[in-house]
This record gives sequence, structure tokens and C-alpha cells, in this order.
Amino acid sequence: NAGVTQTPKFRILKIGQSMTLQCAQDMNHNYMYWYRQDPGMGLKLIYYSVGAGITDKGEVPNGYNVSRSTTEDFPLRLELAAPSQTSVYFCASSPRVAGISTDTQYFGPGTRLTVL
Amino acid sequence: GIQVEQSPPDLILQEGANSTLRCNFSDSVNNLQWFHQNPWGQLINLFYIPSGTKQNGRLSATTVATERYSLLYISSSQTTDSGVYFCAVERRSGGSNYKLTFGKGTLLTVNP
Repeated sequence: NAGVTQTPKFRILKIGQSMTLQCAQDMNHNYMYWYRQDPGMGLKLIYYSVGAGITDKGEVPNGYNVSRSTTEDFPLRLELAAPSQTSVYFCASSPRVAGISTDTQYFGPGTRLTVL
Repeated sequence: GIQVEQSPPDLILQEGANSTLRCNFSDSVNNLQWFHQNPWGQLINLFYIPSGTKQNGRLSATTVATERYSLLYISSSQTTDSGVYFCAVERRSGGSNYKLTFGKGTLLTVNP
């Protein structure tokens, strides 16, 4: 298993540009998450999904959109990039089963995004 | 929302020393995890431990849910233990709430 993969690893955007951060997992996990990590800080949840076709906002969703058309993929879209979105973005997945709390989250390697 | 405080914020050790990292949280939790972020940025799950004690090699963790804290013990530290250690918790109330709240982390540096 490749686990959780993210592309690209690095990206520089100009203000106002758009891009999609890709995330895929091959562990058949139903739950997937997007976080951002700012320097010296912990991770903050942007969006999450409990299964294909179901997404919900996290703590810091403004400026982002997500979709979940398949179990494997959970892309994150930035529509109008702003300097405040400069951060490291992590995707994660977990094998949750409803009603059973045996959860751990598995993280991808991250995407380092700079908006200039 | 739930608050997560980790201490100490920074810790410097000589190789071979032991250490204890602490995580305090402000409300009862359904989920608590410890993560290690290595110097290259990769996040690795160390423990899923909403209560009780677990051990994995030189690392062990204890969560006292009734007193709202968790401890991560690192024994005989090695330079490869360097990095940031995060505690993350989830409080699930009422309906679904699958959101981990992270502390700011403890930056551990192990010198040879």
C-alpha cells in the first residue's frame, strides 16, 4: 500500500490564482481530512469527509472547497489564492466504522504552498 | 471549543536521557492521539489512547481521562526522536463530530 499520497510537494502561486491539491489513499478508508499547518503551530482542520459524496467544514474552511466523488480521492481547491493561505497542507485518512472508536489518522507527506 | 495545552513547548536532551511530555485538555474526550512530526515534516501516529496506558518500544503513553491529561514518555532518547510531538483530541457530543483539535506541540531536540 502507498498509504496517503499528496501532489504536488511544493507549489508557488500568485495572488488570485487557483489550484487543486490532490490527495489519494489506497487503504479503503472512509474518512478523509484536510489540515493546514502554519509555522510553529499545530494543525487546523479545513474540511473533512465521512464518505464518498459527504463533506463538511472544519475549523478554517474559508477560501477552500472540497469534493469527494470516490472513496480514494479527496481534492482540495483554492479558488483565489491569498498570502494568508501560505502554509503546509496535510491530507489524512482514517478507517472509522460508525459506532466503533478505534480510530487513528494516517497522514500524507504534505504540500508546501507559498502565495506571493 | 476544546482547548489543548502541551508542555513544555521546547525540550533539549542529551542522547540516552528520559523525558515526559504533557498534554492537558479542557473537556472530556472520545479520542486522543499522539503524533511525531520529524524534521522533514512527516507526521506519524504514535498512539491512539483516549484512556489507559500503552507502550511501544521506548515510547509509552498514559491518559487519565477523568483528570483530563495525557503523558508521553520517551526513554533512552535517540537523535532520531528529534522533532515535534503533537497531542490531538476529539470531543464527540450529540451527533457526529469527527474533528481532531491539535495542541501547539513540544519541540524535542536530542543532541548526540
